[in-house]
Amino acid sequence: DTAVSQTPKYLVTQMGNDKSIKCEQNLGHDTMYWYKQDSKKFLKIMFSYNNKELIINETVPNRFSPKSPDKAHLNLHINSLELGDSAVYFCASSPGLAIDEQFFGPGTRLTVL
Amino acid sequence: QKEVEQNSGPLSVPEGAIASLNCTYSDRGSQSFFWYRQYSGKSPELIMSIYSNGDKEDGRFTAQLNKASQYVSLLIRDSQPSDSATYLCAGRSNDYKLSFGAGTTVTVRA
Repeated sequence: DTAVSQTPKYLVTQMGNDKSIKCEQNLGHDTMYWYKQDSKKFLKIMFSYNNKELIINETVPNRFSPKSPDKAHLNLHINSLELGDSAVYFCASSPGLAIDEQFFGPGTRLTVL
Repeated sequence: QKEVEQNSGPLSVPEGAIASLNCTYSDRGSQSFFWYRQYSGKSPELIMSIYSNGDKEDGRFTAQLNKASQYVSLLIRDSQPSDSATYLCAGRSNDYKLSFGAGTTVTVRA
């Protein structure tokens, strides 16, 4: 009965590889997000989708591409991974854009070697 | 300049004491403010939200907002070891983005 789930939980890969992280929510929410949390615990918004439409697209390298096949899923694809991409990536969802509580997934710890 | 800044901590308090966490924000357009708690290795969870000036109490937690001073705080009364975590302050701007502070790590000593 997990509300927001992410796969994989851990991802270890070499520089230059391409990888994807998947996120699913079963809360019936309209809005989903991707956040990056660096080693200093700083949590920063990357993208937000509302009903499959891209709403927030922060200044992230275009190697990062989100995809929302439906409003319950928001995936993150990363091309040409770099060392600096190592972080924990959190998916989150909320009932709507203007509705405040965001529910976070368990996170995906990405390590780029 | 970071949009949301927190007193960096770490903060260590004895069990039963009050833990006081502070946060300032730079975007005067921010209307909604939140405190999230994050246990080590876990995801953030919302513990308090505050939208208007003044105090808001929920159990042992009290959030305070002063929009004129652009200041948000969180008090944890009767601190318990289970309160040991990192507390993240966040503000939501008119473009729906949540901006988080760097977090304050609280340790409650038994």
